[in-house]
Amino acid sequence: EIVLTQSPGTLSLSPGERPTLSCRASQTVNSNYLAWFQQKPGQAPRLLIYGASTRATGIPDRFSGSGSGTDFTLTISRLEPEDFAVYYCQQYGKTPWTFGQGTKVERK
Amino acid sequence: QMQLQESGPGLVKPSETLSLTCTVSGGSVRTSNYYWAWIRQAPGKGLEWIGSVYYPANTYYNPSLRSRLTISVDTSKNQFSLRLNSVTAADAALYYCARPLLKMELFSPFEDWGQGILVAVSS
Repeated sequence: EIVLTQSPGTLSLSPGERPTLSCRASQTVNSNYLAWFQQKPGQAPRLLIYGASTRATGIPDRFSGSGSGTDFTLTISRLEPEDFAVYYCQQYGKTPWTFGQGTKVERK
Repeated sequence: QMQLQESGPGLVKPSETLSLTCTVSGGSVRTSNYYWAWIRQAPGKGLEWIGSVYYPANTYYNPSLRSRLTISVDTSKNQFSLRLNSVTAADAALYYCARPLLKMELFSPFEDWGQGILVAVSS
């Protein structure tokens, strides 16, 4: 199965800053079928990005995804108070679908 | 917009069978042409895809669970279900049902999720 490794494990930031989250795959992700999710405590994950760079419906344009092959990045251009959460990447190009272990973006 | 709601017991004894149901509203499990999915999250851990089902009975399972797992569709109740046999403490988790973004497409991210149901495993 494809192992996804996210880094860093935790980002301690202030509103207005620009976090960059990394997701590295153990093998090439077919067709760049890589998604990013946001999860807040007590909530289900929310789809942010799919196809490595396409924003899901209703997602603000401060969220952007990039990358291909085995290296992918989620960037939040300007951190808003509601963006403090855990972010997961997921590959859906080869079964079993797999998720990264998550990056927590916390308030400094 | 479709809504999904998980239901089932919150506590299962070791070695017994875990049975969960996902009720879909706002759409038909039979005619919507989605690969309906189950995903779980152990306490304080990441997410694990369990498996997916496409009506009537095309299933895709995580190999790590395949020998113990059955996912099926019940069109009479507009539900899909999960049965996991011989559970252990490692199966304790928050179980989510989910709908992919794209119809008729196995290779699709998950767009809509249920709120999740917490399952403990203990005697």
